[in-house]
Amino acid sequence: GEDVEQSLFLSVREGDSSVINCTYTDSSSTYLYWYKQEPGAGLQLLTYIFSNMDMKQDQRLTVLLNKKDKHLSLRIADTQTGDSAIYFCAERGRDDKIIFGKGTRLHILP
Amino acid sequence: GAGVSQSPSNKVTEKGKDVELRCDPISGHTALYWYRQSLGQGLEFLIYFQGNSAPDKSGLPSDRFSAERTGGSVSTLTIQRTQQEDSAVYLCASSPAPGNTEAFFGQGTRLTVV
Repeated sequence: GEDVEQSLFLSVREGDSSVINCTYTDSSSTYLYWYKQEPGAGLQLLTYIFSNMDMKQDQRLTVLLNKKDKHLSLRIADTQTGDSAIYFCAERGRDDKIIFGKGTRLHILP
Repeated sequence: GAGVSQSPSNKVTEKGKDVELRCDPISGHTALYWYRQSLGQGLEFLIYFQGNSAPDKSGLPSDRFSAERTGGSVSTLTIQRTQQEDSAVYLCASSPAPGNTEAFFGQGTRLTVV
């Protein structure tokens, strides 16, 4: 079945770039997502990329997609304390089912 | 409505009791998803409804879990004979027409089985 894998923790110094990686198995994915969950809050869509794209940039966020390797990454430039959260990678298959990874907890060091 | 609404927000139940969790999706959204988030775990897919199609139940962990969606709108997730391992946050999401980009999440129901 479909599976999405991502590392569980990442620590980054304030002001540096954060790179969160994700791999998925469904080669028929249509969209790939990054959701953000702040402590005590719900899930918010951060950004997404269509499967026929290889890069998307939105202010401090850059999403890279390597469809051949089924690898997705999220780069956050100039990481701030407000970026501290859990980041979930997700993929949407052709059947519209959305499968999430376990989430990467981003910790910001002063 | 303004967003996906879930009720109750918190539920404490005794082991062995049945519980019903409710999700009101955004009006007009055809797709509805249920996920479970256990402490320190990711989002575990449970079930997916799309319009009038048969639901994808492949993520339901046991036959104690069931869900229905009435009139293509409100959905109820039922857990029979609850166990302590069922304690988790149950999240519902809805999405517009097939192939649309975003799934919008509710705030979840925190279920505690004692």
